[in-house]
Amino acid sequence: DGGITQSPKYLFRKEGQNVTLSCEQNLNHDAMYWYRQDPGQGLRLIYYSQIVNDFQKGDIAEGYSVSREKKESFPLTVTSAQKNPTAFYLCASSEGRASNEQFFGPGTRLTVL
Amino acid sequence: GNSVTQMEGPVTLSEEAFLTINCTYTATGYPSLFWYVQYPGEGLQLLLKATKADDKGSNKGFEATYRKETTSFHLEKGSVQVSDSAVYFCALSDPYSSASKIIFGSGTRLSIRP
Repeated sequence: DGGITQSPKYLFRKEGQNVTLSCEQNLNHDAMYWYRQDPGQGLRLIYYSQIVNDFQKGDIAEGYSVSREKKESFPLTVTSAQKNPTAFYLCASSEGRASNEQFFGPGTRLTVL
Repeated sequence: GNSVTQMEGPVTLSEEAFLTINCTYTATGYPSLFWYVQYPGEGLQLLLKATKADDKGSNKGFEATYRKETTSFHLEKGSVQVSDSAVYFCALSDPYSSASKIIFGSGTRLSIRP
């Protein structure tokens, strides 16, 4: 089955620690995205990548970093510089052409203790 | 800039009631329009979409029509079920983005009583 996987489902970290969230897709999509969702709110774009070895900042990139070394993988690192990292993180992919929908993974809930 | 505005929730209805969730947008050009649904603790799933004016998207009994004259894309269903309880997001694609960036509304939580 084609789709997007995110791991882990739940993640806990202590303040001051970096943590990396995994996102893998086997849809052969060119574009991948990371969103943050806070309770009762919509999605905010963190980073996106249109092609391997290239990525762009979204609306709220501060305190986050990404890499795109392989087409199927787009990991997100939440650094200690992110002031309020507790949130639900969603990864998505698309074929990359205008008007195409995005396909979402199941999400990772990050809690900072 | 481009934006999406949808009715605030929560919306609570009885089973078999008629549903409307309003959505209006602001965009230059001709965006594609989407409705996504999110069940508790899960990611978003595409519910339906429309790519040009007067198109009607439909899926699982839900419908929405792309109205360019009123810049709207309201979601409707004739008879809701308890299993429709979820958060619904209206969204549009940025017509000038080569990266298929999507702009989401803030979401509307729908609860259906048995």
